[in-house]
Amino acid sequence: KQEVTQIPAALSVPEGENLVLNCSFTDSAIYNLQWFRQDPGKGLTSLLLIQSSQREQTSGRLNASLDKSSGRSTLYIAASQPGDSATYLCAVRPNDYKLSFGAGTTVTVRA
Amino acid sequence: EAQVTQNPRYLITVTGKKLTVTCSQNMNHEYMSWYRQDPGLGLRQIYYSMNVEVTDKGDVPEGYKVSRKEKRNFPLILESPSPNQTSLYFCASSGLSGNTIYFGEGSWLTVV
Repeated sequence: KQEVTQIPAALSVPEGENLVLNCSFTDSAIYNLQWFRQDPGKGLTSLLLIQSSQREQTSGRLNASLDKSSGRSTLYIAASQPGDSATYLCAVRPNDYKLSFGAGTTVTVRA
Repeated sequence: EAQVTQNPRYLITVTGKKLTVTCSQNMNHEYMSWYRQDPGLGLRQIYYSMNVEVTDKGDVPEGYKVSRKEKRNFPLILESPSPNQTSLYFCASSGLSGNTIYFGEGSWLTVV
């Protein structure tokens, strides 16, 4: 069974600092890995999707890396802003029919 | 605009009163799924569907039913809701072969 772990569970940084969020998974046989953002009481917004054959994906201030062999992914958010405050979820897709989620990292960016 | 639409968004109901949460997507996706999110337990899959008339159980299917009569719709049915089904529910959809998964806004369900 795929286990997904996100560390740390919570993170508080001053505005402008770079954010580094970690995700680890136990089974390297995956289709892809997806990072989501969730605001309190809201749905999940997809941030980045990394296919199993890729090493990284970038979108604006966001960059996600994938090391499938070691079962790790890292989400970098450059020059954080208060609007980046949210919970960030990592999800691994081991097959066509499900996602396995981590518990998330709750980020607070202090103005 | 790509959308997964769930209704109702908020519902308080009583134990045993049947309810249906609807889910509709406008992207012609084959895959649809329901998840529930609970504090400390994260997101867990309830049921999924790979296409019309093809459904299967996820990790926590007890107490739920689904149907997929049309490609765009995937309703979640609680035949006899109980308080332990109080949760935040999400519908999701995607194409096959590792495409991005899109989520609805969520449905807050309280069973008293």
